[in-house]
Amino acid sequence: GNSVTQMEGPVTLSEEAFLTINCTYTATGYPSLFWYVQYPGEGLQLLLKATKADDKGSNKGFEATYRKETTSFHLEKGSVQVSDSAVYFCALLRNSGNTPLVFGKGTRLSVIA
Amino acid sequence: SAVISQKPSRDICQRGTSLTIQCQVDSQVTMMFWYRQQPGQSLTLIATANQGSEATYESGFVIDKFPISRPNLTFSTLTVSNMSPEDSSIYLCSAATGGNQPQHFGDGTRLSIL
Repeated sequence: GNSVTQMEGPVTLSEEAFLTINCTYTATGYPSLFWYVQYPGEGLQLLLKATKADDKGSNKGFEATYRKETTSFHLEKGSVQVSDSAVYFCALLRNSGNTPLVFGKGTRLSVIA
Repeated sequence: SAVISQKPSRDICQRGTSLTIQCQVDSQVTMMFWYRQQPGQSLTLIATANQGSEATYESGFVIDKFPISRPNLTFSTLTVSNMSPEDSSIYLCSAATGGNQPQHFGDGTRLSIL
């Protein structure tokens, strides 16, 4: 079946540190991959996406590259800010589309000044 | 991207009562979904809301407890029936235009049952 595995949190970093949140997936075919962010008290916001192998999604300084050979979609940011403190969810969409997303368990990030 | 509005944003309810949550999308969408998110947890899919027909429920969720309506391509409701403290959670509406397009989410309804 389809599944997403994220690194366990919480992750605590100092401001301006480098961030990596690991995400690997299991899927048949060629899924689309997404990162969502949930700030405290809010719903989920789409952060970035990639729809095929070797695509790189980027937004707000965050990047993730769709690696089919390692079935991974790790989220990275070169220099985190306090305002990046949130929960990050990796998700996949089956290549047939028209189905709900499959989510990872989420990784809570806390950035301290 | 679609803008999704949910009402109410939060509520405190008595045990045994029911609450209906509304979800309005600002454009026509193919897919609408309802999720539950318990504190500190990931999202659990309750059901897919189908326009003009009965919703498709995930294992562990039943229509009697979570009746869903979707009368058109921009609106859906989720009712949480005969509530108990275990139903205290965040309920999230989501929508997508189909294909490999991403889902977009409302801000959620924070529900507490006393």
